[in-house]
Amino acid sequence: GENVEQHPSTLSVQEGDSAVIKCTYSDSASNYFPWYKQELGKRPQLIIDIRSNVGEKKDQRIAVTLNKTAKHFSLHITETQPEDSAVYFCAAVAAGNKLTFGGGTRVLVKP
Amino acid sequence: DTEVTQTPKHLVMGMTNKKSLKCEQHMGHRAMYWYKQKAKKPPELMFVYSYEKLSINESVPSRFSPECPNSSLLNLHLHALQPEDSALYLCASSLGSGNGNTIYFGEGSWLTVV
Repeated sequence: GENVEQHPSTLSVQEGDSAVIKCTYSDSASNYFPWYKQELGKRPQLIIDIRSNVGEKKDQRIAVTLNKTAKHFSLHITETQPEDSAVYFCAAVAAGNKLTFGGGTRVLVKP
Repeated sequence: DTEVTQTPKHLVMGMTNKKSLKCEQHMGHRAMYWYKQKAKKPPELMFVYSYEKLSINESVPSRFSPECPNSSLLNLHLHALQPEDSALYLCASSLGSGNGNTIYFGEGSWLTVV
């Protein structure tokens, strides 16, 4: 089955700096890669996604890149703000629309 | 509206109790999911329903019994649970069950087994 590795597990940045989270996946059949943000006690919320026919996607301060050959994808958050503090999960989707999550990255943005 | 509604938000049950978690969506989604999330861990898939039929069971113990009465509702029946089953149970839905359909999560039901 699919296996997704996510790094780092914790990330502390100063407000205004950039944050980068990296993930690798194992199943070459995976073709959809969503990113979820989960605040404490809340649901995972989709913040951005990328499909395997696209190399990069941007939405305001958030961007995601995908390297299918190397089987890795990354989340970039620019100009971080305190409200960006949360746990971020990458995921890969293969057959049956099964989400396999990475282990999560706890991001802390210090004012 | 990307709303998936779950009830109850919190549930405490004894190991001999029978209880149910409920999930509802009115987005016309035809795939619904149950995930389990332990503290500081990612969600783990339990079941997938596609067009009201169970399509994936991730080897979940039989003390968890899913039910999909119609395309808008998904239940999870709980019986003879163990304390280690205490977790956040997340319902989710997507338009279809094909790869790449965006999955939307409900707020979850916090379950404590005593």
